[in-house]
Amino acid sequence: AQSVAQPEDQVNVAEGNPLTVKCTYSVSGNPYLFWYVQYPNRGLQFLLKYITGDNLVKGSYGFEAEFNKSQTSFHLKKPSALVSDSALYFCAVRDVSKSTGANNLFFGTGTRLTVIP
Amino acid sequence: DAGITQSPRHKVTETGTPVTLRCHQTENHRYMYWYRQDPGHGLRLIHYSYGVKDTDKGEVSDGYSVSRSKTEDFLLTLESATSSQTSVYFCAISESGQGNQPQHFGDGTRLSIL
Repeated sequence: AQSVAQPEDQVNVAEGNPLTVKCTYSVSGNPYLFWYVQYPNRGLQFLLKYITGDNLVKGSYGFEAEFNKSQTSFHLKKPSALVSDSALYFCAVRDVSKSTGANNLFFGTGTRLTVIP
Repeated sequence: DAGITQSPRHKVTETGTPVTLRCHQTENHRYMYWYRQDPGHGLRLIHYSYGVKDTDKGEVSDGYSVSRSKTEDFLLTLESATSSQTSVYFCAISESGQGNQPQHFGDGTRLSIL
């Protein structure tokens, strides 16, 4: 089965500094990778995805992610953090059901980002 | 935001009672999903649907059943609720079943079972 891991439960960064939220994956074949953000009392919001093509993917709110096949990583980045970026971030990978062949998502455990003013 | 409405948004009930959560979408998407979110586990798939009356189990389906009689509605039922089912439940929809399109999420139902 496909899986992703988010090695950091919590990331703190000062406002204006660059931020990185880490994600590593384990898949057979080509990975379909996604990043989502969750604000308090809200559902997950899609930020960006990597399916194929350029290793640097740009998404919503100034976020980008770098796909690195040799390191099996898909880290989320932003050049200059805002206080409003404080939220819970989830990495996810396409997971194909062995029983039905359906394409579902397997989510990481999440990383809480706090941007300090 | 995608047109997804979950109801109720909050519910408190007692162990052993049946509970039904509703997900309603206005996007006419074929694929619908139910997840639960728990600290330390992220989101885990309970059941999903790939069309009207077509459903299948996810990673944590024990104790849950689903039904989809219309494209727009996907119901999650706990036949006899247990305290271990206290969680936040999210519904999601997707236009494509190819895995290359994102899922879009509702705002969740916070369920407490006493």
